[in-house]
Amino acid sequence: SQQGEEDPQALSIQEGENATMNCSYKTSINNLQWYRQNSGRGLVHLILIRSNEREKHSGRLRVTLDTSKKSSSLLITASRAADTASYFCATDPDNYGQNFVFGPGTRLSVLP
Amino acid sequence: DAGITQSPRHKVTETGTPVTLRCHQTENHRYMYWYRQDPGHGLRLIHYSYGVKDTDKGEVSDGYSVSRSKTEDFLLTLESATSSQTSVYFCAISESIRYRQYFGPGTRLTVT
Repeated sequence: SQQGEEDPQALSIQEGENATMNCSYKTSINNLQWYRQNSGRGLVHLILIRSNEREKHSGRLRVTLDTSKKSSSLLITASRAADTASYFCATDPDNYGQNFVFGPGTRLSVLP
Repeated sequence: DAGITQSPRHKVTETGTPVTLRCHQTENHRYMYWYRQDPGHGLRLIHYSYGVKDTDKGEVSDGYSVSRSKTEDFLLTLESATSSQTSVYFCAISESIRYRQYFGPGTRLTVT
C-alpha cells in the first residue's frame, strides 16, 4: 500500500452528521497535512499537524495523529453539503530529501 | 487564494508532440512543484524547484523536464507526449519545503 493511504475510499453521509476519514502511513514523519479538493479544482490546505502534536482543531475540523500507529484521522463535525469533496492526507517523511507523499484520497458526499 | 495560474487549462495533443505547461506565481515563494493526478493514485510529484535554476526529480519524472529561469515561472515540458501522460497536472508553491502548499487550478492534458 502507499505511504499516506486514506480510508475509506468513499463515504456518504447526511447533512448534520459527522464524517471521519483515516490516513495510514509507513515511515516516520515530520508532519502530516490534510487537503480538500472540490471537483475540478486544485487542492486547498486544511490543517497541518506536527509529529509532536496529538490533536489539532480548526473550526469544525479535528485532526488526530498517533505516531505509534502511524495513523491520523480527520473529523468533520456537523457536515454540510458544501463539505462534499475529496480529502487527501499528505505526509512529510523525515528522511532528508523526500517530498510530501499524497494518498489516493477519500471521496466524501454529504447529502442534503 | 494564493496567486497561482496555470496555462493552458486544457490541451489536447497527439502522441509524439512536445508540450509545455506553464505555472506562474505572484507570491514570491521559493519552492514550486509539478504533480500529476490520476484516478486511484492521488497526487504524484513529477519535479520540484527550490530556487531559480535549481530543480530536482520527484517520484514520476521519466518523460518530463522542467525549467525555472525566474522566481515566478516554472515550466513543465513533455518532450514527446505519450498516451500514458494523459492526466491532470497541478502546480503548487510553498515558502518552505516542509510547509503547506498552495495549488493552482490544474491543467487537463489529453494525449491522443
